[in-house]
Amino acid sequence: EAQVTQNPRYLITVTGKKLTVTCSQNMNHEYMSWYRQDPGLGLRQIYYSMNVEVTDKGDVPEGYKVSRKEKRNFPLILESPSPNQTSLYFCASSLAAGGPVGELFFGEGSRLTVL
Amino acid sequence: DQQVKQNSPSLSVQEGRISILNCDYTNSMFDYFLWYKKYPAEGPTFLISISSIKDKNEDGRFTVFLNKSAKHLSLHIVPSQPGDSAAYFCAARVGGSQGNLIFGKGTKLSVKP
Repeated sequence: EAQVTQNPRYLITVTGKKLTVTCSQNMNHEYMSWYRQDPGLGLRQIYYSMNVEVTDKGDVPEGYKVSRKEKRNFPLILESPSPNQTSLYFCASSLAAGGPVGELFFGEGSRLTVL
Repeated sequence: DQQVKQNSPSLSVQEGRISILNCDYTNSMFDYFLWYKKYPAEGPTFLISISSIKDKNEDGRFTVFLNKSAKHLSLHIVPSQPGDSAAYFCAARVGGSQGNLIFGKGTKLSVKP
């Protein structure tokens, strides 16, 4: 089954404790992206990757890191989480960024709470 | 500044009537527009798209209209059903197939029986 898998789905952590949210897709997609969803702010892009070893900042990259060492994986790293990073996070992938056959496939989301 | 705007945070419609969700954009370089639907506690799912060279695309009950001169697109749902109650996000692509998607803030649609 084609899917985007995120882990963990739920996490409560404390300020400053490094954490990684993993994202894996099994569709051989080149494009992957991370978004955060906050009430009234919609989906804001954190980082995206056009292909292996190619990553770019989105709208809200501060406090986050990513890596794309393999095509299928695109982990989101919070080196020193802060309470303003409490949010619902979505990973997405696509053959290309939008387009006729490139519509994004989203994971189910990871709800992160930083105390 | 927001490049993709959905100015109505919410919309309430009676079952069987038409739902019209609006989206405005500022960047004339957008070449593709997409609508996504999102239920609570789930990831968004692709609904329908339209190329900038077209002005209409239809898929069953869903039709997207694009007015390039006004930099405006709309999603029509006819007839609306209670299962359509969800958040709808407009997205626009810039940079072609090697570009990026920019999302609006979303509109929460409620279809009442």
